[in-house]
Amino acid sequence: NAGVMQNPRHLVRRRGQEARLRCSPMKGHSHVYWYRQLPEEGLKFMVYLQKENIIDESGMPKERFSAEFPKEGPSILRIQQVVRGDSAAYFCASSLSGRSETQYFGPGTRLLVL
Amino acid sequence: SQKIEQNSEALNIQEGKTATLTCNYTNYSPAYLQWYRQDPGRGPVFLLLIRENEKEKRKERLKVTFDTTLKQSLFHITASQPADSATYLCALPYNQGGKLIFGQGTELSVKP
Repeated sequence: NAGVMQNPRHLVRRRGQEARLRCSPMKGHSHVYWYRQLPEEGLKFMVYLQKENIIDESGMPKERFSAEFPKEGPSILRIQQVVRGDSAAYFCASSLSGRSETQYFGPGTRLLVL
Repeated sequence: SQKIEQNSEALNIQEGKTATLTCNYTNYSPAYLQWYRQDPGRGPVFLLLIRENEKEKRKERLKVTFDTTLKQSLFHITASQPADSATYLCALPYNQGGKLIFGQGTELSVKP
């Protein structure tokens, strides 16, 4: 049973470009969470999605960031017009249900904005 | 707002000794608390979950305690090995399920 998959593992973008980060949850999991880890900082929650629905986006920056989890396909975290401060590791996690206590994390996507 | 604090300084211990990591929290009464391990360049890996009505939980060489009065959890690794070197994260649920709030993590280094 494959774990949470994220791609790309590393992404380099120039300021002003768009970044698209993909996350495929564990098989059978329909709940996805995105976290960001800035250099020298802890993991910070960004958004929680269930298939086709955003459940909690309290940690998402108000501008430039969006997330989706379509009925078919992976969850996408999209960052428009990236800035240097967006450079971070972005982790996706999945759980079996919204009441599941344990979240399983992917390997992360390391975004570098030049 | 909820706040979680872990030993901010790295912990260096000798192989075979017991490592003890601390997680303190404020403004919160979580139903459970979790510990994760994170290696450099990797995602966090779930280790243990302890509920509010449990005082202690063990898994192989790992032991976790949870004191809801002190608002503190202690994470112990007995007979530590160099392979235990990693960053250990404490996490609390914001609600029942849903987002997790993480501490900053404590970096553990076990020297042979």
